[in-house]
This record gives sequence, structure tokens and C-alpha cells, in this order.
Amino acid sequence: DSGVTQTPKHLITATGQRVTLRCSPRSGDLSVYWYQQSLDQGLQFLIQYYNGEERAKGNILERFSAQQFPDLHSELNLSSLELGDSALYFCASRNGQGWDYGYTFGSGTRLTVV
Amino acid sequence: AQSVTQLGSHVSVSEGALVLLRCNYSSSVPPYLFWYVQYPNQGLQLLLKYTSAATLVKGINGFEAEFKKSETSFHLTKPSAHMSDAAEYFCAVTLHSYDKVIFGPGTSLSVIP
Repeated sequence: DSGVTQTPKHLITATGQRVTLRCSPRSGDLSVYWYQQSLDQGLQFLIQYYNGEERAKGNILERFSAQQFPDLHSELNLSSLELGDSALYFCASRNGQGWDYGYTFGSGTRLTVV
Repeated sequence: AQSVTQLGSHVSVSEGALVLLRCNYSSSVPPYLFWYVQYPNQGLQLLLKYTSAATLVKGINGFEAEFKKSETSFHLTKPSAHMSDAAEYFCAVTLHSYDKVIFGPGTSLSVIP
């Protein structure tokens, strides 16, 4: 157990639907990062939050949004889902500003859009 | 902007043989560099990191990597492969002034008995 919890582990939904992925970071970690992993695109950075505020954006679609709550858990909202959104979505957390410990990853949510 | 390339999307070695996974980075300033491993149906686990201290970095499970600035490389090695080393390996980079980590495309390592 890495200490980063992602729910649900698996999600199957239809095109056009909306889903919410949840991430609880490791205790004490203020930064949360979301990544999408697919066979053709590899690991793509989506968005980062630090202590409740958006810090950086990557290749995140406008149909996707995220937020980090006061208790530091984060949610990634995916709407108007398309078949191409099927992927593994990872959350990672990091303590503070230093890189001594790198990221700690959760085990991911596998999203299948049918 | 920083980027990472990994030569060879798939590498096969015999059990007991040397493992060498290649990583080259592109960065305008000295970066932080990482190797992560991903086992099937799991998240990524940090193997080792270079953060501008010693250029030869030792990680978990017997892996090590050497930072070579002149070659802009950070290759991952292990003297003797075990069956349990079969996994996907990702090289990654970030800069001091940036928070996000950029991952390479990954190298799938197979270990042949």
C-alpha cells in the first residue's frame, strides 16, 4: 500500500456520460497530480493541485476538470465521455516542494468507455 | 521544454544477465531524473532518483543509474536480472523550477528463464 488511495479501481460507463474519480493523497502530502495512461499516448500529465489551488495544467481536455478539497483529497471529473477516454487514470502525491521522495502513485482507476 | 526518450520499447534479457535500459533527456538546465517501475495492474513505484548529488545513484531491488551530463543520459542497470524484474520501466524528468514530472514512453522488460 503506497498510501495514495484511488477509487473506484474499475469503472465502465457509456459514451456521453460523466464520471468522477477520487484520490486521497498520502498523509501529509499537499500536492496531487493526475495522469492519464493509455497505450498510444503513454503517461500524460493532466493537472496538479497544491494545497487546494491549481498549480499546473497539462494536456487536459476541456471536458475534464478537477479540484482539491480542504481535506486534500482530489476529484477528477470527466464528462461527455468518448471511447478514446478509456485509459488508466493515476493520481500521485508529493510532500512539499522538494524532490527527495519523488511522487507516490496510487494504483489507478481503469476507465472503460463503451 | 524538457523531454525524455527511452531507446527500445521492449527489451528481453536472460535470467542472470545484465539489464540495461536506456534513457536520454532534453533539458535546458540540470534536471531531476527518476526511474519508475510499473508491475501489471499496479501504479508506478519509484526505483531511484538523481537530484544533483552523486552521479551514480543506487535504488531498490539492485538497480542503479548513472547521470552523465555530457551524454544527457540516465541509463538504468542491474548486474543480474531476476524473473521478478519483468515490468514496465519509465524514465522521468523534472526541472527545479517546474513541479510536474514528464515521463518517457516506457520500456517493457521481459526476463527469459
